[in-house]
Amino acid sequence: EGQLVESGGGLVQPGGSLRLSCVASGFTFNTYEMDWVRQAPGKGLEWLSYIGSSGSAIFYADSVKGRFTISRDNAKNSLYLQMNSLRAEDTAVYYCARDVGYTGDGFDIWGQGTMVTVSS
Amino acid sequence: QSALTQPPSASGSPGQSVTISCTGTSSDVGGYNYVSWYQQHPGKAPKLMIHEVTKRPSGVPDRFSGSKSGNTASLTVSGLQAEDEADYYCSSYAGSKWVFGGGTKLTVL
Repeated sequence: EGQLVESGGGLVQPGGSLRLSCVASGFTFNTYEMDWVRQAPGKGLEWLSYIGSSGSAIFYADSVKGRFTISRDNAKNSLYLQMNSLRAEDTAVYYCARDVGYTGDGFDIWGQGTMVTVSS
Repeated sequence: QSALTQPPSASGSPGQSVTISCTGTSSDVGGYNYVSWYQQHPGKAPKLMIHEVTKRPSGVPDRFSGSKSGNTASLTVSGLQAEDEADYYCSSYAGSKWVFGGGTKLTVL
């Protein structure tokens, strides 16, 4: 079935940086496209970033472009999100998610999420 | 403000049917057959219920169905059950990005 486990969340001051990790198991990670999605407390879902199976194709939401960097290490079955210049509005639960199979389709496996709090 | 518009709430009695709408534009919902729906219970990760407008992943009850007409997609839950009470989010591909609706809280009366 597959499983995703995120880590790396925590409390960070405004302007600081944080690197999130997502480890995949139970499926052939290097054949799937992956994404990061976040959810601010009490709010809806917001897509952040996409990376193709080989890492060559990358997209970002305007809200994080230039501040966040998505990457993957297929040898380690891992997905990453480097977050710089963090703002209070970046406070959210961050989920990694697996794409169903075709670029543009939905996200069929989600991690449990990792909380990021940006506050002084 | 979310890119896709959903009603904030919907409700129905057990056994009834309820439909949740998701309105976008020709740049997202109307332009691609990549609309998906997610169910989220409190404190839990979202769960994919529908993808590619009408397709149900294995394990999702056939009480859940999706459709699309123009720039509006819909999720119908038939034969409502208590466990269907949750937040529901629609999402659409929008060309090198994905957009979500603001979510609909479904209450089973």
